[in-house]
Amino acid sequence: NAGVTQTPKFQVLKTGQSMTLQCAQDMNHEYMSWYRQDPGMGLRLIHYSVGAGITDQGEVPNGYNVSRSTTEDFPLRLLSAAPSQTSVYFCASRRVFEDYGYTFGSGTRLTVV
Amino acid sequence: EDKVVQSPLSLVVHEGDTVTLNCSYEVTNFRSLLWYKQEKKAPTFLFMLTSSGIEKKSGRLSSILDKKELFSILNITATQTGDSAVYLCAVIMDSNYQLIWGAGTKLIIKP
Repeated sequence: NAGVTQTPKFQVLKTGQSMTLQCAQDMNHEYMSWYRQDPGMGLRLIHYSVGAGITDQGEVPNGYNVSRSTTEDFPLRLLSAAPSQTSVYFCASRRVFEDYGYTFGSGTRLTVV
Repeated sequence: EDKVVQSPLSLVVHEGDTVTLNCSYEVTNFRSLLWYKQEKKAPTFLFMLTSSGIEKKSGRLSSILDKKELFSILNITATQTGDSAVYLCAVIMDSNYQLIWGAGTKLIIKP
């Protein structure tokens, strides 16, 4: 049982480049989300989805796009990377109406130079 | 604005000490409060608290919620170097099941 798989683990981008962070889960969780974590700021929600075909913005959505074509996958796209997007990104999933069942991926450390 | 505030932001103690970490919250639709431990990678679940005054316990860790005063504490007794981590608190909103996270407390245990 793989849980939540995030790739890549590390990435360095130049300003203006685009890339996609991948997230896949095999637990049939309806809810998937992307967070970024910056020093001293905790986890901030970027985008989330409650099911295939449904996405919504979180607290800090600017500069990021998402789509949810299947239950398993929830990729995060940076269309034009900026240094302010240097952060650690976590994907997390759970059952929609389960309080504590968040499963986190191992994270992607992204540096934009 | 809904918010979760953790204190202290960082704490350094010696092995064997007891520590208390604090989490206070102001949210419009409280459902439950979660504690996570984060070492070098992803957060791992510790406790979920929904009712006031009921202590949750796991080994040397325990936690309790006060819904009247809007806070929770996480206690760690007889600390060990393996307890060194960032401890995160999050509140689940009743309206949409979203999480609001605190900034975390960085705990360092010196041998």
